[in-house]
Amino acid sequence: KAGVTQTPRYLIKTRGQQVTLSCSPISGHRSVSWYQQTPGQGLQFLFEYFSETQRNKGNFPGRFSGRQFSNSRSEMNVSTLELGDSALYLCASSFTGGGGTEAFFGQGTRLTVV
Amino acid sequence: AQRVTQPEKLLSVFKGAPVELKCNYSYSGSPELFWYVQYSRQRLQLLLRHISRESIKGFTADLNKGETSFHLKKPFAQEEDSAMYYCALTGPGAGSYQLTFGKGTKLSVIP
Repeated sequence: KAGVTQTPRYLIKTRGQQVTLSCSPISGHRSVSWYQQTPGQGLQFLFEYFSETQRNKGNFPGRFSGRQFSNSRSEMNVSTLELGDSALYLCASSFTGGGGTEAFFGQGTRLTVV
Repeated sequence: AQRVTQPEKLLSVFKGAPVELKCNYSYSGSPELFWYVQYSRQRLQLLLRHISRESIKGFTADLNKGETSFHLKKPFAQEEDSAMYYCALTGPGAGSYQLTFGKGTKLSVIP
């Protein structure tokens, strides 16, 4: 079965622009989580969606937002980009998102803000 | 606040030597603990989780609630074990799925 797919794989944006990243979960998975990975901070949780509802949110500014569609696909949006937003953005899907559930990760989208 | 600490950024061992990757956590309650691994140019993938008590690729990890640790061990390191290893936790039960990761340990197995 197909894994978690993230598009695009690479993005270059300028400061002040906005960007939308997409994540297609494994078929049947209803939970999608987003993470930011940087060399300094490591992997940090952004938010989790389950059945189109944001169920959990990390400690990121309001410029970071997301949504989930009825087919469980998810998008993440970052507005007014800053240089510090340059990172690898990972999404992960799981069947229920419950404790102990395995999360399957995508390859990530590498965002560079110049 | 929940936190995962992996004290070693880099661990180098010789092939055939034992490996122990350290992980300590801070959490109010009973978390679910995981080890994720990322091989070169591959996506992050689950290695093992404490609730399943499995041994994957020869690795084991025991949850020590008294010491709040979840160290990853393997008796004999192989070259293919070279990778980044991340310890992570989440709260138990549905509705609380937020993985908190440590900063990772890079394991290098010297032939």
